[in-house]
Amino acid sequence: AQKITQTQPGMFVQEKEAVTLDCTYDTSDQSYGLFWYKQPSSGEMIFLIYQGSYDEQNATEGRYSLNFQKARKSANLVISASQLGDSAMYFCASSKGSSNTGKLIFGQGTTLQVKP
Amino acid sequence: DGGITQSPKYLFRKEGQNVTLSCEQNLNHDAMYWYRQDPGQGLRLIYYSQIVNDFQKGDIAEGYSVSREKKESFPLTVTSAQKNPTAFYLCATRSGFYNSPLHFGNGTRLTVT
Repeated sequence: AQKITQTQPGMFVQEKEAVTLDCTYDTSDQSYGLFWYKQPSSGEMIFLIYQGSYDEQNATEGRYSLNFQKARKSANLVISASQLGDSAMYFCASSKGSSNTGKLIFGQGTTLQVKP
Repeated sequence: DGGITQSPKYLFRKEGQNVTLSCEQNLNHDAMYWYRQDPGQGLRLIYYSQIVNDFQKGDIAEGYSVSREKKESFPLTVTSAQKNPTAFYLCATRSGFYNSPLHFGNGTRLTVT
């Protein structure tokens, strides 16, 4: 079965430094998508970044970039120049196969705390 | 404002009662989803609907029911058959483009005692 693993339950980073949140995935599909979401303490899920399995370039969105290593099945999120507002829970997710149902499998999440 | 509205934000019920969570969207998205989140956990899919009058079970559909009579609305009923209903429930929508992301509402926190 498809599975997303986030091995870091909690992370700390100093304000203005970069931080990498790990994500590995397990799928036998050739075509899939990888997503990262941010969940602040208020509870809403905020979409951050997407990487398609056939995309050769790593995705970037502002201060967020996705370090995609297909052979290792990893899709780590890099946040540059951390801000206090980045403190939140972060979830990695993948779409299930090539069908366009939009169903996502989520990891357990990593709690990030940014220190001033 | 375009968006997804979940109401209420907090809901309290007695054990044995059915309860319906509301999800309304004005994004004109065809697909809608219900996810459940338990403390410190990731999200698990309950039901989803890709078009009006059609819906499919997700990974943890037992004890839940849904309807999709209108494009804008996808209510979730938590029945008394759901053994552990206390959780945070998130509704999401999505456009039909391949691998387009889910857009989430603010969630409803349900407590059953």
